[in-house]
Amino acid sequence: AQRVTQPEKLLSVFKGAPVELKCNYSYSGSPELFWYVQYSRQRLQLLLRHISRESIKGFTADLNKGETSFHLKKPFAQEEDSAMYYCALGGSNYKLTFGKGTLLTVNP
Amino acid sequence: NAGVMQNPRHLVRRRGQEARLRCSPMKGHSHVYWYRQLPEEGLKFMVYLQKENIIDESGMPKERFSAEFPKEGPSILRIQQVVRGDSAAYFCASSEPSSYNEQFFGPGTRLTVL
Repeated sequence: AQRVTQPEKLLSVFKGAPVELKCNYSYSGSPELFWYVQYSRQRLQLLLRHISRESIKGFTADLNKGETSFHLKKPFAQEEDSAMYYCALGGSNYKLTFGKGTLLTVNP
Repeated sequence: NAGVMQNPRHLVRRRGQEARLRCSPMKGHSHVYWYRQLPEEGLKFMVYLQKENIIDESGMPKERFSAEFPKEGPSILRIQQVVRGDSAAYFCASSEPSSYNEQFFGPGTRLTVL
């Protein structure tokens, strides 16, 4: 069965501090991992997917198959990064499995 | 491109009434997915549709819930005889046929059952 765990419901950091949002997954096949972000009053947006290996808005995420993790990182948080972040797992089919989300607050 | 559109954004129903949620996919997208998010939970897959076909409804409750995606018009998620436990945010996503893992989401419909 597919499962995604985001252990932190809330995460609060100060502006300029590094931030790491944790995501662990469980999947027997070849996973495809995503990070989605939802800013206040806006729709869910795709932030990153692991196969593209790109950096968006300063965020990066590396798939670690040994630890079954896909943590989202940013070296210097900005206030505009405050949002809800969801880790999602796709596999060989179309069903995305989401974690419960982490609410990131970046304080001035 | 306006993106995935959902309406209404908020819907209030009394127990026993019917709820109809609409989703218009992005232009060029013929695949639609519905997800439900209960309070304090992640989004959970409900159903996957292509035009005039239900491909996978394994995440839908067996009773009272139905979905369609007609040849013309939006996809509809229909909940009959709503109960308080149906209160949730319902999200629609769409994708191109060749990119089912790259799903674009609508703003959601927040259903409240009184």
